[in-house]
Amino acid sequence: DAGITQSPRHKVTETGTPVTLRCHQTENHRYMYWYRQDPGHGLRLIHYSYGVKDTDKGEVSDGYSVSRSKTEDFLLTLESATSSQTSVYFCAIRASGGTGGETQYFGPGTRLLVL
Amino acid sequence: DQQVKQNSPSLSVQEGRISILNCDYTNSMFDYFLWYKKYPAEGPTFLISISSIKDKNEDGRFTVFLNKSAKHLSLHIVPSQPGDSAVYFCAATMTGNQFYFGTGTSLTVIP
Repeated sequence: DAGITQSPRHKVTETGTPVTLRCHQTENHRYMYWYRQDPGHGLRLIHYSYGVKDTDKGEVSDGYSVSRSKTEDFLLTLESATSSQTSVYFCAIRASGGTGGETQYFGPGTRLLVL
Repeated sequence: DQQVKQNSPSLSVQEGRISILNCDYTNSMFDYFLWYKKYPAEGPTFLISISSIKDKNEDGRFTVFLNKSAKHLSLHIVPSQPGDSAVYFCAATMTGNQFYFGTGTSLTVIP
């Protein structure tokens, strides 16, 4: 358990409304990530952060923005939600693990439905 | 373009037998590979990893094999148990900053 929580865990919203998902970690990890999981696509990186105020885009960043004003919190915002953003969203942190390399530890996920 | 591929969406195995899950990658710059296990309604959990300088890594019932020339890795589970039923994702990284995931293989272990 890497001390990662996500909120909310479930959300239903309407097309065109803004939505913010929160990821919170308690162990001061530098790297944090947002992924979405969809059938047939696996886990796809949306954005990641390598420090406070330092973020970069992943492969599916269109329609999403992120902010990290504190080490422990990484926020994902859907500026104007669309039905194609219905998905399960996972936050992750990077930490040492495995055979001397880095690995990721994931939060429990947020299930988002955009109507 | 998918850099990490899992071509088998599902696999069924009898309890006690070996489960072999496969993963292919296209980017020869990847130097570290990982397997994750995911149960429904939970986040993925790290299972086992391997560095590109090795061709095998074992952890209990789980063994990962890496064939760099074929750009292929596999996860062996021996013996398979019903609690192993889950979706398995392989992942790869070259810098440790970004991780690229496959689409997952759903393993069912039949009692």
